[in-house]
Amino acid sequence: KQEVTQIPAALSVPEGENLVLNCSFTDSAIYNLQWFRQDPGKGLTSLLLIQSSQREQTSGRLNASLDKSSGRSTLYIAASQPGDSATYLCAVLWDSGGSNYKLTFGKGTLLTVNP
Amino acid sequence: NAGVTQTPKFRILKIGQSMTLQCAQDMNHNYMYWYRQDPGMGLKLIYYSVGAGITDKGEVPNGYNVSRSTTEDFPLRLELAAPSQTSVYFCASSYEDRSYNEQFFGPGTRLTVL
Repeated sequence: KQEVTQIPAALSVPEGENLVLNCSFTDSAIYNLQWFRQDPGKGLTSLLLIQSSQREQTSGRLNASLDKSSGRSTLYIAASQPGDSATYLCAVLWDSGGSNYKLTFGKGTLLTVNP
Repeated sequence: NAGVTQTPKFRILKIGQSMTLQCAQDMNHNYMYWYRQDPGMGLKLIYYSVGAGITDKGEVPNGYNVSRSTTEDFPLRLELAAPSQTSVYFCASSYEDRSYNEQFFGPGTRLTVL
């Protein structure tokens, strides 16, 4: 069974700080890992997707890394802004058996960036 | 493209009532999914579909039914609503099922069962 854990559960930082969000997963046989952003009362927005053969992906101030063998991923946010305040969710796509591909989510990290 | 759309945005049901949550996508995606998100929890998969006419159970299917008569639509049916089904429901779609499976999410339906 795949379990995804995100640490910390909540993080509060001053504007301009660089920060790292952590995600770990128990079964390293994954196909990809996705980082999502969720604003209060809203749906999920995909930020970055890292395929199992990749080590990292970058988009603007965001950089996500993947170490499949150790079951870890990090999301690095540079020069944080108040607009980055949201819940960040990590999810892994894996084969739950019989070619059933499932996306398992962590519980998320609630990020607050203070002006 | 509108992406993934869901209706209604909010709904209050009484125990024992039934309703259908609508989901549609205009990206010609083969794969569609229904998730529920409870407060402070990650999303859990209810049902998914790999194409028109094909559906399968996810992690928490009890109390729900789905159908997929077209590529675009994937409605979720709640029969005999119970307070345990109070949650936010998200529909998602993707083109491929693995490797580069990027799932796109709708805005969600917030359901309360009283």
